[in-house]
Amino acid sequence: DAGVTQSPTHLIKTRGQHVTLRCSPISGHKSVSWYQQVLGQGPQFIFQYYEKEERGRGNFPDRFSARQFPNYSSELNVNALLLGDSALYLCASSLDGDTQYFGPGTRLTVL
Amino acid sequence: AQSVSQHNHHVILSEAASLELGCNYSYGGTVNLFWYVQYPGQHLQLLLKYFSGDPLVKGIKGFEAEFIKSKFSFNLRKPSVQWSDTAEYFCAVRYSSASKIIFGSGTRLSIRP
Repeated sequence: DAGVTQSPTHLIKTRGQHVTLRCSPISGHKSVSWYQQVLGQGPQFIFQYYEKEERGRGNFPDRFSARQFPNYSSELNVNALLLGDSALYLCASSLDGDTQYFGPGTRLTVL
Repeated sequence: AQSVSQHNHHVILSEAASLELGCNYSYGGTVNLFWYVQYPGQHLQLLLKYFSGDPLVKGIKGFEAEFIKSKFSFNLRKPSVQWSDTAEYFCAVRYSSASKIIFGSGTRLSIRP
């Protein structure tokens, strides 16, 4: 079975721009979560979606938004990018909402 | 506040040594607990998890962890490490009152061949 896939792999943006990251969950998984991982730290929870509804939101500003589509894939959008948004963005899918299966991540660099 | 602490940032061991990585979480009711591993160049994968029942849980690759409720701890152990265990290890917790999973800052494990 295919694992969680994310696109793009790498992305370079400038301050003030907008970015959209995409995630496809493992087939059959209806829950998708997004995390931000800064170098030297553990993943920080941004959002969880289940059956297209937001189930949880972490301590991130409103510049961060997400949505889940009918096929359970998901997008993470970040507006008005700041230098501090540079990080690895991880998507994880889950069958039970708890056990997370992670994708390879999207490395975002903001210049 | 709900949080997870991993006190060892970097652990260096020789092959065949025993391993114990600490993980403590703050009080907040019922918890589900996880250990994830990230091998060099690979993405995060689940080592083991505890939801309920036997507090000693076994995971992949010979790892185990013990949930001690009175100490709010979920330490990871392996009796004899191998060079291939070189990786970053993350402890994570989900409190029953919340949907989000909180990760610790990670412990980098280096094994000397």
